[in-house]
Amino acid sequence: EAQVTQNPRYLITVTGKKLTVTCSQNMNHEYMSWYRQDPGLGLRQIYYSMNVEVTDKGDVPEGYKVSRKEKRNFPLILESPSPNQTSLYFCASSLFQGNEQFFGPGTRLTVL
Amino acid sequence: AQSVTQLDSQVPVFEEAPVELRCNYSSSVSVYLFWYVQYPNQGLQLLLKYLSGSTLVESINGFEAEFNKSQTSFHLRKPSVHISDTAEYFCAVSDTGTYKYIFGTGTRLKVLA
Repeated sequence: EAQVTQNPRYLITVTGKKLTVTCSQNMNHEYMSWYRQDPGLGLRQIYYSMNVEVTDKGDVPEGYKVSRKEKRNFPLILESPSPNQTSLYFCASSLFQGNEQFFGPGTRLTVL
Repeated sequence: AQSVTQLDSQVPVFEEAPVELRCNYSSSVSVYLFWYVQYPNQGLQLLLKYLSGSTLVESINGFEAEFNKSQTSFHLRKPSVHISDTAEYFCAVSDTGTYKYIFGTGTRLKVLA
């Protein structure tokens, strides 16, 4: 089944404890992206990747890191999480920019 | 910088009535336009998209949107809504030059019986 998977789906952590949210797609898509969704703010793009080893900042990259070492994986790293990073995170992929984005199920992160 | 405005945060409408969800974007440079739908506790799904060609695009479940370059709008319409259309709808713009995606803040459509 074609899909985007994210892990974990739920995470509660404490300020400053490094964490990684994994994202994987099995559709051989070139483009991958991370978003955060907050009430009243919609989705905001954190980072995106046009292809392996090619990443760029979205609108809200501060406090986040990404890497794209393989085409299928695009992990999101929070080196030192803070409470303002409490949010619902979505990973998405598309064949190319302009194609339909397929979204993962979301990761609900709470930073205490 | 590109921005997307969805002026209506919530739209209540009775079943079988028509609805229009408004979307305006800030720049008329080359863009791709999308509408996504999010049902409760789920991820987003593509509803329809405009890349080029005919300015009127349709989805398989009766929604349509019209690209208006002069007004930089991409409003979503449905002539007769169903209870099952209750969801949050997001307009999104992708700038072909930067590869970025910008989403609007969303419109909650609530269909009333």
